Parts: sequence; structure tokens; C-alpha cells
Amino acid sequence: GQQLNQSPQSMFIQEGEDVSMNCTSSSIFNTWLWYKQDPGEGPVLLIALYKAGELTSNGRLTAQFGITRKDSFLNISASIPSDVGIYFCAGLLIQGAQKLVFGQGTRLTINP
Amino acid sequence: DAGITQSPRHKVTETGTPVTLRCHQTENHRYMYWYRQDPGHGLRLIHYSYGVKDTDKGEVSDGYSVSRSKTEDFLLTLESATSSQTSVYFCAIRGADRRANYGYTFGSGTRLTVV
Repeated sequence: GQQLNQSPQSMFIQEGEDVSMNCTSSSIFNTWLWYKQDPGEGPVLLIALYKAGELTSNGRLTAQFGITRKDSFLNISASIPSDVGIYFCAGLLIQGAQKLVFGQGTRLTINP
Repeated sequence: DAGITQSPRHKVTETGTPVTLRCHQTENHRYMYWYRQDPGHGLRLIHYSYGVKDTDKGEVSDGYSVSRSKTEDFLLTLESATSSQTSVYFCAIRGADRRANYGYTFGSGTRLTVV
């Protein structure tokens, strides 16, 4: 099946630092999504990207849809304690039931 | 609140017993999905539904069955639970409206332990 390779798997940073994570795939996707999961909760959508090359921001978060449609990255600037959690990339094919394929996740830990 | 609830939130069961997890939505969304989450694997699709009585398999469907007899409820059944099915299970919903950003809305999860 389709797989997304997300890296890094974990990050340990100081508060205030910038964060970067990325996702690559062997398949082409029409849409890339980035989710965040807090402990004991389901993932929550952060950013959605619909076109190759698209760069989208949501507050301190910036994400880009790669030109090849096989990759995406997420940057978080000036990290704060509430950024702690697991971040997932997900690719979506716009066909049929539009199933999401998820990366393995990046666990972000912030030292105050 | 997105109007999706999962029950139970936690369950411990014995190997070989049947288990049913429930996902209930109040959004009248057409699409519903069951995922399992395991360390190192992200979320993997078990089964999904694209309407009442319309379901299909995902990538890890072995040992699971689903039913959707009405729009608001999507049930996941483990016919005979095994220790490999110990996991956190998430239900997700999505409307057919293209303006919905294609983003799924997830429930809070069910933590299942098979002993």
C-alpha cells in the first residue's frame, strides 16, 4: 500500500526554537494535510494544502506542498510549550471515499 | 465540538472474546472511517463507510468487521480479540462537501487492551 515517510520521528528542542519536519511519499497526492495530536485526544487538522508548490501559513505554522506532489514540510516558528504533541502528515487522493494515508508521526518535546 | 463520540473510551478484554466499538456522529456526514494507532505506524485504516450499509476494507482489515445500519453510527467489531489488536482506535468523519477542506474530524479514541 501507499506509505508516507515522516521525519524526524522525534525532536527535543528548547522553547523559542524553530522546528521543521517533512514527509515524503512514493505516490503522488492531490492534497497534503498536517495534523496535531495532543495526549489522549484524536488528531486535529492544522493546515491543508491543495496545489503543488502551495505555501500556507496558520499563525506560527507554515507548510508547503512539494512541486513533485510527493512531499510536504511543516515549520513551526518560535516554539512554545503548547506545541508539544505528535504531528502527522497525511496524503489524500481525491477519488472514491477519499482515504487519508498517514505518516508515522513526529513527537515534539519542548524544554522550557 | 465536532459532534463525534466514541464509546467506550477504555476497555480491557480477554483474548478470544468479541468486542464492539461504537462511533456516533451528529453531523449527518456521509463518510466514516475506523483507524488504529500504534507506535511507529501512525494511523492505519481498518474499514470505512461511504453510506448506510456501504462499507469497504482498509489496509489492516483482517480480524475486524464493521456495520453501518444508520447514518449516525459506525460499529467496529473484533470477532475474536487477539493481543495484536491491543491499540488505540480512532473514528473519523467527513462530509461530502468539497468546501470541507477534505479534513477529517476525529473522535477522542478508544484505548483497547487485549490480555
